[in-house]
Amino acid sequence: SQQGEEDPQALSIQEGENATMNCSYKTSINNLQWYRQNSGRGLVHLILIRSNEREKHSGRLRVTLDTSKKSSSLLITASRAADTASYFCATDFSIRGGSGGGADGLTFGKGTHLIIQP
Amino acid sequence: NAGVTQTPKFQVLKTGQSMTLQCAQDMNHEYMSWYRQDPGMGLRLIHYSVGAGITDQGEVPNGYNVSRSTTEDFPLRLLSAAPSQTSVYFCASSYSNRLDRIPYEQYFGPGTRLTVT
Repeated sequence: SQQGEEDPQALSIQEGENATMNCSYKTSINNLQWYRQNSGRGLVHLILIRSNEREKHSGRLRVTLDTSKKSSSLLITASRAADTASYFCATDFSIRGGSGGGADGLTFGKGTHLIIQP
Repeated sequence: NAGVTQTPKFQVLKTGQSMTLQCAQDMNHEYMSWYRQDPGMGLRLIHYSVGAGITDQGEVPNGYNVSRSTTEDFPLRLLSAAPSQTSVYFCASSYSNRLDRIPYEQYFGPGTRLTVT
């Protein structure tokens, strides 16, 4: 079952503006990750935030995590045309259920398709 | 480093045929996994492995087999292809401590686009 859900499904903004996308999940996690996928390509890892962290930065990316609300946000500042892509959040999960502890793999949401207009 | 490589890039099969999708990584990662991506869906985990000789089922394992005889290779076998298996398949690898079994940053291959007619 897909645990993460991104919002919005699609986002179109002008170059130079900031883009914010959100992710909600259902069960407790060890970490949450964000990935980017350009059309027809594999996913590329952007950032990982652990469950005991609240905010993390990497270049123009800022990720927040609120475990009490089971939600995360990804902010891309000063967007560029090259940022046009789909963005996915992923959380670790256990096939057999249970909270915390080990995990079997990652579960991905359906993604946010971001279009940066020149 | 080549990272994660997948072959073939494209494949068309007839219903009932079998085939193997190849995946290899040169980063000495213990954890490897296979996902499928369908339109409008996120990635779904098919099978995974936490090390050579160890494999386990993911969310959607039916119709697929895997093996992990070496750290580097993790082939995915379709036993008897069905139209429902038309999808894009991604292999990924990552560091994952065998003790805590938590997959960290995943490195993805370029994908195999499979069509079953």
